[in-house]
Amino acid sequence: QKEVEQDPGPLSVPEGAIVSLNCTYSNSAFQYFMWYRQYSRKGPELLMYTYSSGNKEDGRFTAQVDKSSKYISLFIRDSQPSDSATYLCATTNAGGTSYGKLTFGQGTILTVHP
Amino acid sequence: GAGVSQTPSNKVTEKGKYVELRCDPISGHTALYWYRQSLGQGPEFLIYFQGTGAADDSGLPNDRFFAVRPEGSVSTLKIQRTERGDSAVYLCASRPPGSAGELFFGEGSRLTVL
Repeated sequence: QKEVEQDPGPLSVPEGAIVSLNCTYSNSAFQYFMWYRQYSRKGPELLMYTYSSGNKEDGRFTAQVDKSSKYISLFIRDSQPSDSATYLCATTNAGGTSYGKLTFGQGTILTVHP
Repeated sequence: GAGVSQTPSNKVTEKGKYVELRCDPISGHTALYWYRQSLGQGPEFLIYFQGTGAADDSGLPNDRFFAVRPEGSVSTLKIQRTERGDSAVYLCASRPPGSAGELFFGEGSRLTVL
């Protein structure tokens, strides 16, 4: 079993839909949780970043972390065709050399069609 | 430049050959990471540099893989006696001081071993 599990999709939604992307993880030592967006043939770019449990909102994006159930979510409101990309959840431990040593999920391929 | 720069963007080689992949991180980022991303998978950690030294090389798959960062800026990932299974996108990332999971990725070097 992988440390971070993510449904690869693909997920196809109409423009304007609410999108829900999810990951589960197994290592309770993980403290930092990220969502990266990756366009085709590009490097991942950081979208959302949270520490420990809770919610974080940034424009149309909301990230949720539930450490009790080891569950990470990303919600996209009013989805746009430009949101079409692969979404990667990632996590890491707290402390020193763990910073930046991320464990990624497989990635979910999202297509938003006009 | 403003972002992480990786060269070459594409590399095709024959089985058994030696390959070097170069990464030029964002100026001022002392932490540098190499990841490998296979088709349809999330990136997997290979090695982490803090300054000139490799702080964590636990992700290198075997002794055919080696990386250096002699002056604390540009890094080179070296792969000896390449195998077909080494085919992947090799991503370099740098991290700003004081952040945990916020990585800035380059666009990657796509390696194909024939």
